[in-house]
This record gives sequence, structure tokens and C-alpha cells, in this order.
Amino acid sequence: AQTVTQSQPEMSVQEAETVTLSCTYDTSENNYYLFWYKQPPSRQMILVIRQEAYKQQNATENRFSVNFQKAAKSFSLKISDSQLGDTAMYFCAFMKPLMYSGGGADGLTFGKGTHLIIQP
Amino acid sequence: KAGVTQTPRYLIKTRGQQVTLSCSPISGHRSVSWYQQTPGQGLQFLFEYFSETQRNKGNFPGRFSGRQFSNSRSEMNVSTLELGDSALYLCASSHGTSGGVQETQYFGPGTRLLVL
Repeated sequence: AQTVTQSQPEMSVQEAETVTLSCTYDTSENNYYLFWYKQPPSRQMILVIRQEAYKQQNATENRFSVNFQKAAKSFSLKISDSQLGDTAMYFCAFMKPLMYSGGGADGLTFGKGTHLIIQP
Repeated sequence: KAGVTQTPRYLIKTRGQQVTLSCSPISGHRSVSWYQQTPGQGLQFLFEYFSETQRNKGNFPGRFSGRQFSNSRSEMNVSTLELGDSALYLCASSHGTSGGVQETQYFGPGTRLLVL
């Protein structure tokens, strides 16, 4: 079974600053997907970024980028030029690819989340 | 494209009753997964449906069941409700075939269930 750990329950930064959220995971798999989702107060879970473990290049999406360290099983999210709208719970998630999960999607395994507050 | 929709958005039930939640996936998506989110346990995987078949399930009692229709819409049913079933129930859809893009899950707004 996989586990995902987010060691920062809450973080607070000023608007326009850069912030990094930490995530570590434990798995014996070699191929997998990692995701960051954000959940604002509306509770809608929104995909931020996806990383495929076989890709060495770190994924980026506009102001969001990851630092994927496969050997260290670390997957941090960097938010540049933070905005008030970035205030949300951020969840790191792990998923085995379909072809390795015995015929059906195993589902996402989530960390406990980091509450990120962007101060004006 | 329209996103994932869930109905109802809010629900209040009493212990012992049963409840049915509905999820309509993004057009073209054939996989629907269900998750339970509670303050204590966090987000937990319930089950996944693809082409009307349950492909996988998490560690939940048999009171939790689901089904998927030919148009990929899915329903989740919880029978004999317990206080601990109070939660936000999220569904997510994906194409459901192999590949990073195809397996990426997009979530609906959730159904908040309160059991009294």
C-alpha cells in the first residue's frame, strides 16, 4: 500500500511571495503518477499539476511547478507570485497507473493536506 | 466542456435511512470514481466504475454500493446510514484508459451528507 505524507498542516505567506509545499510518499512501485490538487473553501477539488514518474523533467503549469525527486520519494509544489485566489487546502496524491493496478483504477491516495493562506 | 456534476449538493438524513447520490462525468469520460472526505479520515477511495462495471473498490463496508449507467452517469448508494457516514462525497471522472492524460481524474463539487 502507498502512503502520502504532507508535513505542513498550515502555511501562510504574503501575496506575491513564492511558497513551497512539501510532500513525501512511500511506494514499492517504479511507475506511478503524482498529483497536486487544490480545494478552496467552495470544496471543489481542482487539479493543479500532474507528474508521471517515468519522466525526469519536472512538470510546470504557469505559476505552479514541482520538484520531483524520485529516489528521495519527494514531490514538492512551488507556487510563484502567489495570489489571494491561491488560498486553499492543497493535497498531494499518488496513483498507480491502470496497467499496473490489476485491471481497475486503484484510486488516488491522498495526503492529509496543507492549508495555504495568502495574506494581502 | 461541462465539468463533473453532482446532485444533490446537500443532503440531511437520519440514522437508518438510505441515500442515493448522483454523478455525471465530463462528456467522453467513461470512468467514475467515488471518494469520501471527512475531517478525521481525510480523503478515501470508495470505488471506481468503467463501462458499467465496478473495476475496483476501497476498504468500505458493503453498505456502500454503486452503479454506472450506459451514459456513464454513476450513482452511489449508502444503506442503513450511520452518524459516521456524515461526509463530503466527491466523484471524479476520467477517460479510464491507460495513459497519464487518460487516467487523470477531474472532480465534481461534491455532495455534503449530514446524518442526524
